Amino acid sequence: DAGVTQSPTHLIKTRGQQVTLRCSPKSGHDTVSWYQQALGQGPQFIFQYYEEEERQRGNFPDRFSGHQFPNYSSELNVNALLLGDSALYLCASSLDRTYEQYFGPGTRLTVT
Amino acid sequence: KQEVTQIPAALSVPEGENLVLNCSFTDSAIYNLQWFRQDPGKGLTSLLLIQSSQREQTSGRLNASLDKSSGRSTLYIAASQPGDSATYLCAVPNYGGSQGNLIFGKGTKLSVKP
Repeated sequence: DAGVTQSPTHLIKTRGQQVTLRCSPKSGHDTVSWYQQALGQGPQFIFQYYEEEERQRGNFPDRFSGHQFPNYSSELNVNALLLGDSALYLCASSLDRTYEQYFGPGTRLTVT
Repeated sequence: KQEVTQIPAALSVPEGENLVLNCSFTDSAIYNLQWFRQDPGKGLTSLLLIQSSQREQTSGRLNASLDKSSGRSTLYIAASQPGDSATYLCAVPNYGGSQGNLIFGKGTKLSVKP
């Protein structure tokens, strides 16, 4: 049973560019949450998708947007990249109305 | 606003020691608390989830306790091994948020020396 997968593993972008990160949830899960983890910090909640809609959003600007597809996979898009967007981006999946989160390996984004 | 704090930020112990990691939270109205392990540059692995109605959860050499009234949880690791070296994070659901909206502490970086 495949767990949560994310792609790409690493990414280097330049300030002002746009980036798309991808996540496939654990088999049987229908809910995907995205987190940003800066170096030395705990993960911070960006948003959650369920039934192809954004259900809840953390304190992140509109430059951060997402999408969920009918097969429950999800994308995170970040526009107009800033140096401060450099972080490990984590995707977590769960079954709706349950609390246990399963995390993927993350995508390391470096903005230069 | 819920805040989660973990003390100490880093801990180094010799192999074989029993150790305790601490997690505190400011709002006791939590549904549950989760402990995660994170290896350097990697994702999070769920270790234990304690429901608000429980006081303890055990998995192998790990034991997590929860005291909602005092806003504290501890993760006890018995007979530590070098393979336990990692960062340990605790998290609680954001009150009023969806189940996936977790608030994390900054973690405790554990190093177990052979």
